[in-house]
Amino acid sequence: DQQVKQNSPSLSVQEGRISILNCDYTNSMFDYFLWYKKYPAEGPTFLISISSIKDKNEDGRFTVFLNKSAKHLSLHIVPSQPGDSAVYFCAASEEGAQKLVFGQGTRLTINP
Amino acid sequence: NAGVTQTPKFRILKIGQSMTLQCTQDMNHNYMYWYRQDPGMGLKLIYYSVGAGITDKGEVPNGYNVSRSTTEDFPLRLELAAPSQTSVYFCASTQGGRNTIYFGEGSWLTVV
Repeated sequence: DQQVKQNSPSLSVQEGRISILNCDYTNSMFDYFLWYKKYPAEGPTFLISISSIKDKNEDGRFTVFLNKSAKHLSLHIVPSQPGDSAVYFCAASEEGAQKLVFGQGTRLTINP
Repeated sequence: NAGVTQTPKFRILKIGQSMTLQCTQDMNHNYMYWYRQDPGMGLKLIYYSVGAGITDKGEVPNGYNVSRSTTEDFPLRLELAAPSQTSVYFCASTQGGRNTIYFGEGSWLTVV
């Protein structure tokens, strides 16, 4: 039972363009969503988060959008840079639960 | 600037052997976690701890044991290694609430 799903295993984007990574969830009790970025041979690092009381959160080139009715969130990176090439994990948690549920990850490749 | 430190980084085990993955954090975090990541899959929670002396099962606890005798350390024990436990293991910690979860660099384990 995959509660958090990232249906695109990989995505290739040209440098300078927008990268859009998508994530769907099934558990309506999730109220906090995060994106983690992972380089090879390193642990995941926190990128950006959003609470269910918001529908958008922005941090520099990174914006996360949340559509609660569709149980869908997306991460926008603009403009995309070569250093953004990594695996991106979507994660979610329920209120009061100190545990994250992760999606399968999407490998983003930024082409020069 | 240590953060979350995992050892060993790489290990090859024979079926039936036992070993302990060590994890220590120097941020005085209450919450600690062990995740495993299989190829093409997201991170699955094995065990977690909300403080010294308290541990609980995650999604995939079978074949593993943990202990939390101090705030800093959260070792993961494999008693009878099986090929299905070949994976990358990540330890993580957080202060709790909606604070950032920090991950270690990972431990690559192969069971042959």
